[in-house]
Amino acid sequence: AQSVSQHNHHVILSEAASLELGCNYSYGGTVNLFWYVQYPGQHLQLLLKYFSGDPLVKGIKGFEAEFIKSKFSFNLRKPSVQWSDTAEYFCAVNAQGNNRLAFGKGNQVVVIP
Amino acid sequence: ETGVTQSPTHLIKTRGQQVTLRCSSQSGHNTVSWYQQALGQGPQFIFQYYREEENGRGNFPPRFSGLQFPNYSSELNVNALELDDSALYLCASSLGAPKGGEKLFFGSGTQLSVL
Repeated sequence: AQSVSQHNHHVILSEAASLELGCNYSYGGTVNLFWYVQYPGQHLQLLLKYFSGDPLVKGIKGFEAEFIKSKFSFNLRKPSVQWSDTAEYFCAVNAQGNNRLAFGKGNQVVVIP
Repeated sequence: ETGVTQSPTHLIKTRGQQVTLRCSSQSGHNTVSWYQQALGQGPQFIFQYYREEENGRGNFPPRFSGLQFPNYSSELNVNALELDDSALYLCASSLGAPKGGEKLFFGSGTQLSVL
């Protein structure tokens, strides 16, 4: 079964600061990788995903993530955060052949204006 | 909006009771998955239904059961509720056979509290 680790569960930063959230997964086979975001009071929504090809994936709202296969990592980045990026961010993985997601514990990100 | 609606939004039950949670998928979506999100944790996969048949189950006991109806709406039933069942229950729908990588559309969840 797949498992996902996210570190630094609570992150507080100022507007315009850069954000990087780490994600490591454990699974021996081919995986699809995702970052989901949950804004306060809203449902989970897809931020970006990686299936194959270019390991640098660009998502919505200026976010990007890089898949490093040798490190089993899929870290999320944004060069300059805004107050509206305050949310909880979840890394998730599924094995190819099914769409059952294994989520990490999430990162609670608070951006101070 | 994702087009996935869940009811009720909040529910309080006592230990030992049974509960039914409901999910209406986005139109045309024939795969539905249920997840449990405990406080401070990420969502955990409970089970998935595709065309009214169970299509995979996570590490949850048999007292967690489900149904998917011909209109693709779905139910999650939990019997003999335990305190640890207190969590946010999320429903997610997707289009087509679940082969991997399909975009999941999540509902806002049902917050279940077991006293």
